[in-house]
Amino acid sequence: EAQVTQNPRYLITVTGKKLTVTCSQNMNHEYMSWYRQDPGLGLRQIYYSMNVEVTDKGDVPEGYKVSRKEKRNFPLILESPSPNQTSLYFCASSYTNSPLHFGNGTRLTVT
Amino acid sequence: QQQVKQSPQSLIVQKGGISIINCAYENTAFDYFPWYQQFPGKGPALLIAIRPDVSEKKEGRFTISFNKSAKQFSLHIMDSQPGDSATYFCAASGVVRGSTLGRLYFGRGTQLTVWP
Repeated sequence: EAQVTQNPRYLITVTGKKLTVTCSQNMNHEYMSWYRQDPGLGLRQIYYSMNVEVTDKGDVPEGYKVSRKEKRNFPLILESPSPNQTSLYFCASSYTNSPLHFGNGTRLTVT
Repeated sequence: QQQVKQSPQSLIVQKGGISIINCAYENTAFDYFPWYQQFPGKGPALLIAIRPDVSEKKEGRFTISFNKSAKQFSLHIMDSQPGDSATYFCAASGVVRGSTLGRLYFGRGTQLTVWP
């Protein structure tokens, strides 16, 4: 089954404790992206990647890192999480100029 | 700067009624306008999309109306059903000034509730 898989689905952590949210897709998509969803603000892009080793900032990249060492994986790294990064995170992938396929989200709480 | 403005933020419709969600944009370089539907606990999923060379696209009960001169597009859900209750996002794709790559920009979403 074609899908984008995020892990974990839920995560509660404390300020400053490094964490990684994994994202994997099995559709051989070139393009991958991370979004955060907050009430009233919609979906805001954090980082995106056009292909392996090609990444760029989206609209809200501060406090986040990404890497794209393999085509299928695009992890999101929070080196020192803060409470304002409490949010619902989505990973998405697509072929270039094609509709995005989203994962089912990771709900992160930073206390 | 918000690239795509969406309204209303929330919408309550009676079963069988018409749901209308509106979006507006400024960048004339946008050339692809999708709508995504999101159910609780799930990621958004593509519902329907349109390109600016047509003024309307219909798929079942869902219709996109596109007004290129006004830089507006809207989603109409005919005969709305309780199963349509979800969050809807409009989006626009294209190259924005200062960028060399086409990106997808989302509106802030509309929470639709259809009462039985």
